[in-house]
Amino acid sequence: RKEVEQDPGPFNVPEGATVAFNCTYSNSASQSFFWYRQDCRKEPKLLMSVYSSGNEDGRFTAQLNRASQYISLLIRDSKLSDSATYLCVVNKEGSTLGRLYFGRGTQLTVWP
Amino acid sequence: NAGVMQNPRHLVRRRGQEARLRCSPMKGHSHVYWYRQLPEEGLKFMVYLQKENIIDESGMPKERFSAEFPKEGPSILRIQQVVRGDSAAYFCASSSQGSNEQFFGPGTRLTVL
Repeated sequence: RKEVEQDPGPFNVPEGATVAFNCTYSNSASQSFFWYRQDCRKEPKLLMSVYSSGNEDGRFTAQLNRASQYISLLIRDSKLSDSATYLCVVNKEGSTLGRLYFGRGTQLTVWP
Repeated sequence: NAGVMQNPRHLVRRRGQEARLRCSPMKGHSHVYWYRQLPEEGLKFMVYLQKENIIDESGMPKERFSAEFPKEGPSILRIQQVVRGDSAAYFCASSSQGSNEQFFGPGTRLTVL
């Protein structure tokens, strides 16, 4: 079983739409959770950390459900510039530092 | 404030040659991580280093691959006797002491002919 699983998509949505991505992780001892975005042939860029209480950053809202080992990302009012691959990431079990486990990513295309 | 720097950005090697990839962490960051991304694959952890110490190398292939982060200078990922299967994007990330957020460099794209 993979450490992190995501629906690969692709998701194709019009500008202004709301879109949600989900992922699941296998290790219940994981401590830190993130969403990164990766543009084609570029490096991953940290979008936001995900906290147990849920957190919001502008149009982006992340949720964590530890009981279900499930992480979500909601993007409201999609922009063309949101087109990218969104990576669900969790850290090494039992530690807040060290190696990260990446999902394969969910591809999003926002069309005008 | 310069981010994570990697060089070269593109590297072409013939089978059997050596590849050296360099990474300079963000200013103030003392933790360095190397990840590999094969075409159409997710990022896979390779190694985690602090200055002069390898903390976790559980993702490194047992042969031909080595990494260091000396007291002075950049971190180096070294691949000896490269094979075609080593062709990939190699990303370096860094974090500050006590932080769990990793910031990535632009990567080195290695092509083995």
